[in-house]
Amino acid sequence: ELKVEQNPLFLSMQEGKNYTIYCNYSTTSDRLYWYRQDPGKSLESLFVLLSNGAVKQEGRLMASLDTKARLSTLHITAAVHDLSATYFCAVAEFGNEKLTFGTGTRLTIIP
Amino acid sequence: EPEVTQTPSHQVTQMGQEVILRCVPISNHLYFYWYRQILGQKVEFLVSFYNNEISEKSEIFDDQFSVERPDGSNFTLKIRSTKLEDSAMYFCASSEGSRQGGGNQPQHFGDGTRLSIL
Repeated sequence: ELKVEQNPLFLSMQEGKNYTIYCNYSTTSDRLYWYRQDPGKSLESLFVLLSNGAVKQEGRLMASLDTKARLSTLHITAAVHDLSATYFCAVAEFGNEKLTFGTGTRLTIIP
Repeated sequence: EPEVTQTPSHQVTQMGQEVILRCVPISNHLYFYWYRQILGQKVEFLVSFYNNEISEKSEIFDDQFSVERPDGSNFTLKIRSTKLEDSAMYFCASSEGSRQGGGNQPQHFGDGTRLSIL
């Protein structure tokens, strides 16, 4: 059974600082996704990572994938308050459409 | 931008009653999904649907659950006899296609239906 773990679960950081969220998964996968969820809202797709070494960047967020280590990271650069949300990674196994989500990281940016 | 729409946004139902949650996926998408999220917890897969049949389902998706695509646009989740533990946010999602089919696109989620069982 595929297991997906994120850490940290909670992250409080000051504006302007950098930090990284980690996503580990237990079996081989060919697709990894990052989603953002604001309180009481839906899941917004941020990144799709498909191959080893893939790196995607959008604004202050950058995601990377190491399929050999079964690890993805979401790096936040110079955080701003608008980035406060819960971030989920989600993994799809080979030949499978089902997404297995991580536990989520609740990010709070403090002014 | 096209989006997945879900109705109702909030459903309150007595335990033991049947409930139907409705979804309109993005029109050119081929794969449809239901997920649920119990308050404060992670998102859990329920079922995927392709070519008018279930392609995969989780252990949560027992005989009390069913899905249907009654016409070319709607995708429904029915819970036949609701239990207290069915209280959750239910998300519908759709995607263009599979990795094997060359589709690398993410699943797009609706805003969810908050189901409260009393």
